[in-house]
Amino acid sequence: DAKTTQPTSMDCAEGRAANLPCNHSTISGNEYVYWYRQIHSQGPQYIIHGLKNNETNEMASLIITEDRKSSTLILPHATLRDTAVYYCIVRVPGSARQLTFGSGTQLTVLP
Amino acid sequence: EPEVTQTPSHQVTQMGQEVILRCVPISNHLYFYWYRQILGQKVEFLVSFYNNEISEKSEIFDDQFSVERPDGSNFTLKIRSTKLEDSAMYFCASTEWPQSTDTQYFGPGTRLTVL
Repeated sequence: DAKTTQPTSMDCAEGRAANLPCNHSTISGNEYVYWYRQIHSQGPQYIIHGLKNNETNEMASLIITEDRKSSTLILPHATLRDTAVYYCIVRVPGSARQLTFGSGTQLTVLP
Repeated sequence: EPEVTQTPSHQVTQMGQEVILRCVPISNHLYFYWYRQILGQKVEFLVSFYNNEISEKSEIFDDQFSVERPDGSNFTLKIRSTKLEDSAMYFCASTEWPQSTDTQYFGPGTRLTVL
């Protein structure tokens, strides 16, 4: 699986959009970008994934650059409950292989 | 919404004792996983299980660890002789793959404390 690089921490004001970047410059053509988050030692929670088109669901939007070397997870209206560690993971889907978690980005939503 | 459940939420044991951590994966899922997270460290993969067999395992998953699906709903992780360094959060996960997407859904975790 391709290596990812994320900032260690970010702050965001409550109600504002939180934009979490991820670099994955060595991504290969069949690898997808997945985002999970972990709220204070709870189990990781799936957020969204995508290949090359932008994706949106009820939780977030995922913007992937045209060269696929980086992506941004967008939480459109961050709340205090979005405070968590956010993990960007690149992998081939459909393989059911393990997820490899890095250190992620600690997002703190401030009141 | 279906979810993965785990019991107990917290297990305290003495070093050298056996522990069994239990998980109930989402009912139509076929692949199951155990991960662990030592306090302050990354989430680490332990083992995956499919069709009543171990599919993959990490270096952490040595002979002290075993997994089992004793019936149609439970998935267990056994640690035969616990060590202090086994103290961690243990997360179970499951996925619909190969039926559908291989998105992994995690349980809330069991906090294992070895004294």
